[in-house]
Amino acid sequence: AQTVTQSQPEMSVQEAETVTLSCTYDTSESDYYLFWYKQPPSRQMILVIRQEAYKQQNATENRFSVNFQKAAKSFSLKISDSQLGDAAMYFCAYRRQIPIQGAQKLVFGQGTRLTINP
Amino acid sequence: GAVVSQHPSWVICKSGTSVKIECRSLDFQATTMFWYRQFPKQSLMLMATSNEGSKATYEQGVEKDKFLINHASLTLSTLTVTSAHPEDSSFYICSARDPRTGGSMQYFGPGTRLTVL
Repeated sequence: AQTVTQSQPEMSVQEAETVTLSCTYDTSESDYYLFWYKQPPSRQMILVIRQEAYKQQNATENRFSVNFQKAAKSFSLKISDSQLGDAAMYFCAYRRQIPIQGAQKLVFGQGTRLTINP
Repeated sequence: GAVVSQHPSWVICKSGTSVKIECRSLDFQATTMFWYRQFPKQSLMLMATSNEGSKATYEQGVEKDKFLINHASLTLSTLTVTSAHPEDSSFYICSARDPRTGGSMQYFGPGTRLTVL
């Protein structure tokens, strides 16, 4: 079974600085998706960034970028120029690419609570 | 992005009663929806996968007779907590798989906070 591990329960960063959240996963599959979701105090899950495993290029979305190391099964999230609105729980998630029933579920890590210090 | 709604956003009920939570995909048809449970300061725990027109697939340890899931249309899935007890109090989140993205994207509802007295 696939597992996702976030080893940092809490992180904090000064506003405008850069922070990196760690995520490792375990799978025997070669094709899959990886995601970072943000859950602010409203508890609405918001997709931050997505990476397809077959793509070597790291995904980026404005101030958010990932460092995807497929061989090491590592998928870290870098937030540049941190803003107060970035404060939230961040969840790393894995999903198999096989489009069959039961294979579409997301497997979540434990989450990292990010605090932004003004 | 696509929109998924949940209703109600919060509900308080007495022990022993049943509560129904609705999950709707507003601008796309979702053949597959997912129901999660989240305890405070914890991650999302998948309860079941809901497929339109067929029985839901429950995760190990989830009581299917207690958490009834019905996916009667391509835009609506419901979760009914039967004979609710205080330990069922939690935050319930649904998500819907968007087939327009090849199924790679899931969009989440805003969640429902259930409190059982």
